[in-house]
Amino acid sequence: KAGVTQTPRYLIKTRGQQVTLSCSPISGHRSVSWYQQTPGQGLQFLFEYFSETQRNKGNFPGRFSGRQFSNSRSEMNVSTLELGDSALYLCASSLDQTDTQYFGPGTRLTVL
Amino acid sequence: QKEVEQDPGPLSVPEGAIVSLNCTYSNSAFQYFMWYRQYSRKGPELLMYTYSSGNKEDGRFTAQVDKSSKYISLFIRDSQPSDSATYLCAMSDTNAGKSTFGDGTTLTVKP
Repeated sequence: KAGVTQTPRYLIKTRGQQVTLSCSPISGHRSVSWYQQTPGQGLQFLFEYFSETQRNKGNFPGRFSGRQFSNSRSEMNVSTLELGDSALYLCASSLDQTDTQYFGPGTRLTVL
Repeated sequence: QKEVEQDPGPLSVPEGAIVSLNCTYSNSAFQYFMWYRQYSRKGPELLMYTYSSGNKEDGRFTAQVDKSSKYISLFIRDSQPSDSATYLCAMSDTNAGKSTFGDGTTLTVKP
């Protein structure tokens, strides 16, 4: 079974731009979560989607948003990029809310 | 204070050593406890998953959870250079989709 895939793997943007990241979960998994990983803050939860509905949200500003499609694929969007948004963005999928999460390789975003 | 505190390390051990990695937490609602291994420039890889208190063994890895002390550990026996990575503890309440992570401990196993 194929793992979680994320595209693109690397991205360079400038301040003020917006970016969209994509995540394809493991086949059959309906829950998709997004995390931000930085050296200073570690892994921080952004939001979780289940059956196209946002079920949980972390403490990030409204510039961070996401959505999930009927095939469980998910996208996250960051608008008005700031230098501090440079991070590894990780997507994780699970069968359901009590199941373990499996992570993708991440998208490394650099904001210049 | 963070909900999950992880021994910061870094840790450097000789090949074959027993390694102990530890986390404490403050949220008594946590029921699911995970350990992930993350190699440089890769996503976290699930190593161990435990529900509630107790021990779980998988090959060279043993996970222990003590909910009364709010303390979890991961033991690695006969450590190998390929075990060199950052180890992350993670916990969640009823929703595994929203996990709280420790900051990670970087382990180096020297041949």
